[in-house]
Amino acid sequence: AQTVTQSQPEMSVQEAETVTLSCTYDTSESDYYLFWYKQPPSRQMILVIRQEAYKQQNATENRFSVNFQKAAKSFSLKISDSQLGDAAMYFCAYKNSGAGSYQLTFGKGTKLSVIP
Amino acid sequence: EAQVTQNPRYLITVTGKKLTVTCSQNMNHEYMSWYRQDPGLGLRQIYYSMNVEVTDKGDVPEGYKVSRKEKRNFPLILESPSPNQTSLYFCASSLLGLAGGEIYEQYFGPGTRLTVT
Repeated sequence: AQTVTQSQPEMSVQEAETVTLSCTYDTSESDYYLFWYKQPPSRQMILVIRQEAYKQQNATENRFSVNFQKAAKSFSLKISDSQLGDAAMYFCAYKNSGAGSYQLTFGKGTKLSVIP
Repeated sequence: EAQVTQNPRYLITVTGKKLTVTCSQNMNHEYMSWYRQDPGLGLRQIYYSMNVEVTDKGDVPEGYKVSRKEKRNFPLILESPSPNQTSLYFCASSLLGLAGGEIYEQYFGPGTRLTVT
């Protein structure tokens, strides 16, 4: 079974600074998907960014970007120009690709605080 | 408005009293899933469904049942709830890729806070 590890239970960042959240995963598959989800205090789960393993280019979404290192099985999230609204729990998630692969595995989450 | 709804949002019940948490989506998504979220454990998948009448176990299915009789609905049933099922529950839905296996963005419901005493 695949596992997803987020080694930083909590992190903090100064407003306008950059922060990187780490995620590693364990898989024997060569093709899969990786996701970062944000959960603000409202508890709503919001997709931040998605990466297909077959794509070498790192995904970006505005101030959010990832550093995808396939060989190292690492998928870190970089938040640039941090804003107060970025304060939330962040979850890394993994999913195999291919027909019949429907299970999604989440990490335990990293709580990000943004200091004004 | 495209959304996933869950009811109830909050529920306090007693051990052994059967309950159902409903989940409904209005986006014609094939894929639906239930997760539980516990402090320090993140989200763990309970059950998922790829289409009507097709369901499968996730990582923590014990003590739960699901059904998918209609595409839009995916209720979570606790036949005999126990205190260790006290948790925050999320329902989610997604389109499936044409080749199968690909889940597009998952849309999550607002969550149901369940307390079993």
